[in-house]
Amino acid sequence: NAGVMQNPRHLVRRRGQEARLRCSPMKGHSHVYWYRQLPEEGLKFMVYLQKENIIDESGMPKERFSAEFPKEGPSILRIQQVVRGDSAAYFCASSPDRKNSPLHFGNGTRLTVT
Amino acid sequence: DQQVKQNSPSLSVQEGRISILNCDYTNSMFDYFLWYKKYPAEGPTFLISISSIKDKNEDGRFTVFLNKSAKHLSLHIVPSQPGDSAVYFCAANDGNTGKLIFGQGTTLQVKP
Repeated sequence: NAGVMQNPRHLVRRRGQEARLRCSPMKGHSHVYWYRQLPEEGLKFMVYLQKENIIDESGMPKERFSAEFPKEGPSILRIQQVVRGDSAAYFCASSPDRKNSPLHFGNGTRLTVT
Repeated sequence: DQQVKQNSPSLSVQEGRISILNCDYTNSMFDYFLWYKKYPAEGPTFLISISSIKDKNEDGRFTVFLNKSAKHLSLHIVPSQPGDSAVYFCAANDGNTGKLIFGQGTTLQVKP
């Protein structure tokens, strides 16, 4: 029973490039959440998606960030024109339903912007 | 606006003793609380949870206590083991969307 799979584990981008982070939820899970952890900080909610729908994007920066969870394939977090401040660990989590279910996390993608 | 707070950044205890990690929240609408454990370079791992209709939930060496009137919860680990050394995050479930609101984390070090 594979857990939440994230790739790549490490991603290095120069300022101005695009970063694409992928997340495959656990089998049977249709809810995906993206979190960001900046150095020395806790986990900050970014966006919550179900298949083909964005349910809550209240934690997403207004510009350069977007997320999708297509009918087929993994969820994608896309960061355009990356800046040094985007350097962080990005975690994806999935759950089978919304109410009172623990989220299951992947091991994250560590993005470094040089 | 930090809705979930862990005011102790770190805690050090001796092996075999009790570890007590604390968490406070501000939103009285939260109805489900969780603790996660995180090792470096890994994702958070679910540890234990509690519904707001309960005041205690126990699972082996781990017990979570909830005091709704004080908007406070705590995680007790007894006896503590060196393998418990990790960062512990408290989280509250936003019942509207199911997203979790996390505290800043407490780094626990259990000394042999």
